[in-house]
Amino acid sequence: KQEVTQIPAALSVPEGENLVLNCSFTDSAIYNLQWFRQDPGKGLTSLLLIQSSQREQTSGRLNASLDKSSGRSTLYIAASQPGDSATYLCAVSGFQKLVFGTGTRLLVSP
Amino acid sequence: GAVVSQHPSWVICKSGTSVKIECRSLDFQATTMFWYRQFPKQSLMLMATSNEGSKATYEQGVEKDKFLINHASLTLSTLTVTSAHPEDSSFYICSARLTGGSDEQYFGPGTRLTVT
Repeated sequence: KQEVTQIPAALSVPEGENLVLNCSFTDSAIYNLQWFRQDPGKGLTSLLLIQSSQREQTSGRLNASLDKSSGRSTLYIAASQPGDSATYLCAVSGFQKLVFGTGTRLLVSP
Repeated sequence: GAVVSQHPSWVICKSGTSVKIECRSLDFQATTMFWYRQFPKQSLMLMATSNEGSKATYEQGVEKDKFLINHASLTLSTLTVTSAHPEDSSFYICSARLTGGSDEQYFGPGTRLTVT
């Protein structure tokens, strides 16, 4: 059974810092890995999707890497802003199913 | 593109009543839709996979007679919570996968259910 863990569970940083969120998964047989953002009481916003054959994806200030063999992914956020405050979820795709991680609650203070 | 809507966005109902939540893919056809549940400060848990024109596949521990799923068309899936109880209060999120597309799922904005 796939298990997805995210570290840290919560993170508080001052504006402008670069930061790294970690995601680990137990079964390396995945199709892809996605990073999502969730604001309080809201749905999910897809940030980046990395196919299993890829090593990384970039979108603006976000960069996600994938090391499938070691079961790890990182989300790098450059020059963090207060608007980045949210919960970040990673999810791995197996056969037709997404398994979500436990999430990292990020607070960026001005 | 790839927009998924949910209705209602929030609902309050009395214990013992039934509530229906709709999930629509607005600009694409979705053979497969998924229903997730999220309790406060927890992650999303898959409840069931819904395929158009066939019975839904429920995850272990999810009561299929309590959470009725209908996927009658390529753009609409419904989740009916029957005889709702306070412990069913949760955030329900659906997602849809593009027919013939990649494995990517597109998520709806969620429905907050409160059972009093």
